[in-house]
Amino acid sequence: DQQVKQNSPSLSVQEGRISILNCDYTNSMFDYFLWYKKYPAEGPTFLISISSIKDKNEDGRFTVFLNKSAKHLSLHIVPSQPGDSAVYFCAASSTGTASKLTFGTGTRLQVTL
Amino acid sequence: ETGVTQTPRHLVMGMTNKKSLKCEQHLGHNAMYWYKQSAKKPLELMFVYSLEERVENNSVPSRFSPECPNSSHLFLHLHTLQPEDSALYLCASSQDLQGYGYTFGSGTRLTVV
Repeated sequence: DQQVKQNSPSLSVQEGRISILNCDYTNSMFDYFLWYKKYPAEGPTFLISISSIKDKNEDGRFTVFLNKSAKHLSLHIVPSQPGDSAVYFCAASSTGTASKLTFGTGTRLQVTL
Repeated sequence: ETGVTQTPRHLVMGMTNKKSLKCEQHLGHNAMYWYKQSAKKPLELMFVYSLEERVENNSVPSRFSPECPNSSHLFLHLHTLQPEDSALYLCASSQDLQGYGYTFGSGTRLTVV
């Protein structure tokens, strides 16, 4: 049973527009959420995170929103740039098992000119 | 070198071969991990080591054998693998088991023929 789900395997967005990547989770014990970005032939790199005590965290062009009641989080990228084209993984962990990240299957974002 | 380095980047092996994947981190981290990424599946945690002690073994078949000789090095010894073991194997490290998020290596793309 997949505890972290990214239901959109791919997304295409025009340069300059907003990219919204979604992630749903089922385990109510999760209290920390992360987004990783992965380019081909490279390992995932940390992008942004959010604790369950917050509902929004912003870092430059990247904002993560958390809706605990819906068990849903989203990553907003605005404005989108061609260099943002990559696979984005959502991950979650719970207090006491912070080392164990549960990942989604990823969403491939393509930013077009 | 900095970060997490994995070798080899690509490996093709027969089902009767024995090979090893190597991971080295230069970050002074105390925890190291092996993850498996199969096509269209989430990253799956295989093993967790903290201060060279194995603390997690997620029901991984015995044909995968990890070794952590010190906090900077992690190996994954492979023998009598199956074609379904073909995947991207990612190594990661974190400051400790309570650290949120990892630093990943670029992975080893393994093909079993």
